Amino acid sequence: EAGVAQSPRYKIIEKRQSVAFWCNPISGHATLYWYQQILGQGPKLLIQFQNNGVVDDSQLPKDRFSAERLKGVDSTLKIQPAKLEDSAVYLCASSHQTDTQYFGPGTRLTVL
Amino acid sequence: QQQVKQSPQSLIVQKGGISIINCAYENTAFDYFPWYQQFPGKGPALLIAIRPDVSEKKEGRFTISFNKSAKQFSLHIMDSQPGDSATYFCAASFGPLNYGGSQGNLIFGKGTKLSVKP
Repeated sequence: EAGVAQSPRYKIIEKRQSVAFWCNPISGHATLYWYQQILGQGPKLLIQFQNNGVVDDSQLPKDRFSAERLKGVDSTLKIQPAKLEDSAVYLCASSHQTDTQYFGPGTRLTVL
Repeated sequence: QQQVKQSPQSLIVQKGGISIINCAYENTAFDYFPWYQQFPGKGPALLIAIRPDVSEKKEGRFTISFNKSAKQFSLHIMDSQPGDSATYFCAASFGPLNYGGSQGNLIFGKGTKLSVKP
């Protein structure tokens, strides 16, 4: 069974630029999560999808972050414009009718 | 009330020793407590998990001890090996999505970096 796929693995941008991350969850997994992991901290949930609907986006900075999950499969997370404090690893995870979340390898974003 | 506090921040153990990592929570509505292991450059991977109706769960060399009254839980790694060197995160959630709302999302501790010396 293929795991959660994410791309790109690394991204370096200047502040105020925009960036997008892509996630393809494990096949058949209805629930998809985006987490932000700042260096030295645990992951923090940004947004949670159930199929193509948003379940929880209470911690998503909506003035600059957006996410979508078209057709209930893969998802994109966008930051526009990026700030220095957005430097982090962005993790995608998926699950299906269980508590177990399977994480992808993440995208490491550096904002200069 | 949504926080999960984890200690220690870092831990050095000799090969064959016991590694112990502790976590505490405030919200008694949490009902699922997993531990995740993360290697550099990788995403977290589920190691072992427990629900509050059980005081202990063991899987191989890994054991979770759960104290509901104290609102604490801990991870014990027996016979620690150099390959166990990683960052460990405790987490808590309200359970699967059939409870509705935002249940299912994990609230993580800050992590413990474990180094097992040969």
